[in-house]
Amino acid sequence: DAGVIQSPRHEVTEMGQEVTLRCKPISGHDYLFWYRQTMMRGLELLIYFNNNVPIDDSGMPEDRFSAKMPNASFSTLKIQPSEPRDSAVYFCASLTGVFTGELFFGEGSRLTVL
Amino acid sequence: GENVEQHPSTLSVQEGDSAVIKCTYSDSASNYFPWYKQELGKGPQLIIDIRSNVGEKKDQRIAVTLNKTAKHFSLHITETQPEDSAVYFCAGAGSYQLTFGKGTKLSVIP
Repeated sequence: DAGVIQSPRHEVTEMGQEVTLRCKPISGHDYLFWYRQTMMRGLELLIYFNNNVPIDDSGMPEDRFSAKMPNASFSTLKIQPSEPRDSAVYFCASLTGVFTGELFFGEGSRLTVL
Repeated sequence: GENVEQHPSTLSVQEGDSAVIKCTYSDSASNYFPWYKQELGKGPQLIIDIRSNVGEKKDQRIAVTLNKTAKHFSLHITETQPEDSAVYFCAGAGSYQLTFGKGTKLSVIP
């Protein structure tokens, strides 16, 4: 398997623009997670899905952030409008079976909002 | 919810020496404690984990210990090598969420 695939790897945009990050989880994995990584706050869980259904979105910073998982092989994280404080590395991760198992991360999408 | 504290935030060791990273957690219901290694420009990758019914686990040069009474767990790397240089994250999980520590940047000096 190719692992968790994220795109784009790097995104530079201007404040106010819409940003869409994409993720393809490992085939057969039941859970999909979106994390944000910054120097100040470390790895923060934004939202996770189980069988394509959002289970916990309490980590989503505000209404400007939204996430969808239309099918088992694709998820998006959208920021609209983007702000400079959204600059971070966004990771998608997936795992299978019970919650306490190995989490497989993608290589991340580095977002810079000018 | 769970709160995981990790220390130190940076650690430099000479090649061949040992490195120890410590974490504490707050939720007594947590029962799974993985450690992830993140190399530059990559996503974190699981290197070892321990469950609450085990006190210690080893995998070659890496070992993890868990003290449930004191709610702390540690990562031990022996005979460190330059390729061990990375950021290491501890995490704790209860029934539904994995909470990460802030990370430790380990530098192994040749």
